Amino acid sequence: ETAVFQTPNYHVTQVGNEVSFNCKQTLGHDTMYWYKQDSKKLLKIMFSYNNKQLIVNETVPRRFSPQSSDKAHLNLRIKSVEPEDSAVYLCASSWDRGFSGNTLYFGEGSRLIVV
Amino acid sequence: TQTVSQSDAHVTVFEGDSVELRCNYSYGGSIYLSWYIQHHGHGLQFLLKYYSGNPVVQGVNGFEAEFSKSDSSFHLRKASVHWSDSAVYFCAVRRTGGYKVVFGSGTRLLVSP
Repeated sequence: ETAVFQTPNYHVTQVGNEVSFNCKQTLGHDTMYWYKQDSKKLLKIMFSYNNKQLIVNETVPRRFSPQSSDKAHLNLRIKSVEPEDSAVYLCASSWDRGFSGNTLYFGEGSRLIVV
Repeated sequence: TQTVSQSDAHVTVFEGDSVELRCNYSYGGSIYLSWYIQHHGHGLQFLLKYYSGNPVVQGVNGFEAEFSKSDSSFHLRKASVHWSDSAVYFCAVRRTGGYKVVFGSGTRLLVSP
């Protein structure tokens, strides 16, 4: 049963446009993540928030910016998309660290195609 | 820096066969290890995890994994696969006390009927 909801599922846009992906979790978790999955299925962590605080900020281009209004929501904005941004963006949530924190619950993903 | 390596990009077996998907990690400290499954067009789903204790852990749908400190491995196994097990499997590692979960490159399992 899905408890991490991502919108939109699919988005096609042109180079230079702005895109936003939304993520909401209904599990009561305090930590949320954004991962980028490329065409070879490689997963790369981009950002992680714990109780609205940014705790993981990997080396990603400045055009990517996460936004968290509360611990249940984590959005991702891409300002001025580039062709290499074409990928599936996966949102996940978990409890804060510890043994339970190692279980991530993922959304279905948001596929971005930049033309 | 923790790393996790999945040496087999593709594994093909027949329905009813047993399968082992390999995962090796590189990290000197205390870590959590886990496996996830991703069916085509979907997000990842948790299968099982290990931190300490019995090195063989049981997961959902008949999957189990065995931790070996000497080999730095955490291989996933299933005794008898079903066609619905066809998916991409990811091994993951997380340093205890850390927030970052690092995933391996994935192994695509194809189960032929």
